[in-house]
Amino acid sequence: SQTIHQWPATLVQPVGSPLSLECTVEGTSNPNLYWYRQAAGRGLQLLFYSVGIGQISSEVPQNLSASRPQDRQFILSSKKLLLSDSGFYLCAWSAGQLYEQYFGPGTRLTVT
Amino acid sequence: TQLLEQSPQFLSIQEGENLTVYCNSSSVFSSLQWYRQEPGEGPVLLVTVVTGGEVKKLKRLTFQFGDARKDSSLHITAAQPGDTGLYLCAGLAISGSARQLTFGSGTQLTVLP
Repeated sequence: SQTIHQWPATLVQPVGSPLSLECTVEGTSNPNLYWYRQAAGRGLQLLFYSVGIGQISSEVPQNLSASRPQDRQFILSSKKLLLSDSGFYLCAWSAGQLYEQYFGPGTRLTVT
Repeated sequence: TQLLEQSPQFLSIQEGENLTVYCNSSSVFSSLQWYRQEPGEGPVLLVTVVTGGEVKKLKRLTFQFGDARKDSSLHITAAQPGDTGLYLCAGLAISGSARQLTFGSGTQLTVLP
């Protein structure tokens, strides 16, 4: 069966510090991978998606970036965090024509 | 850009009551997904509806896709505290080779014992 891992689970970082969030998927090959951000109790904002190694599409211009160095690894980064980067970050994978999303447990990021 | 509006935004009911949550758009979707999310966790897929007018049942949950594939509803019968969570709908739009999945803003359901 497929599993998806995210770490860390929680993170508190000062403004201006760098960021690296990691997501890995097991049990599937060549999945589509996604990074979302969620404000408290609200819907999901798609940040990046990837259909293959090294292929990244950005949905929202901002100071975040994403990379996919391996088939089942997706990384969200920032060189300098802003207060507005605080939120709940979710990684997801999909396969098949229906694009059904399978989410990881999320990372709660607080920028202070 | 497709928009999905969910209503109500918040819903608090007593255990045993019935409820309906709505997901509406002016855009046509090829399919529509429903998710439930508990605090501090990722959303979990409940169901996908793909045909206009389709009805799917998952125990006490009934999902319906509108005939025109622009809207969907989720009906819960005899709600239980375990149904508490954020319910999200997501519509998949297809244009040529492009695929776009759009999430609604969510309905926060609280079922009181």
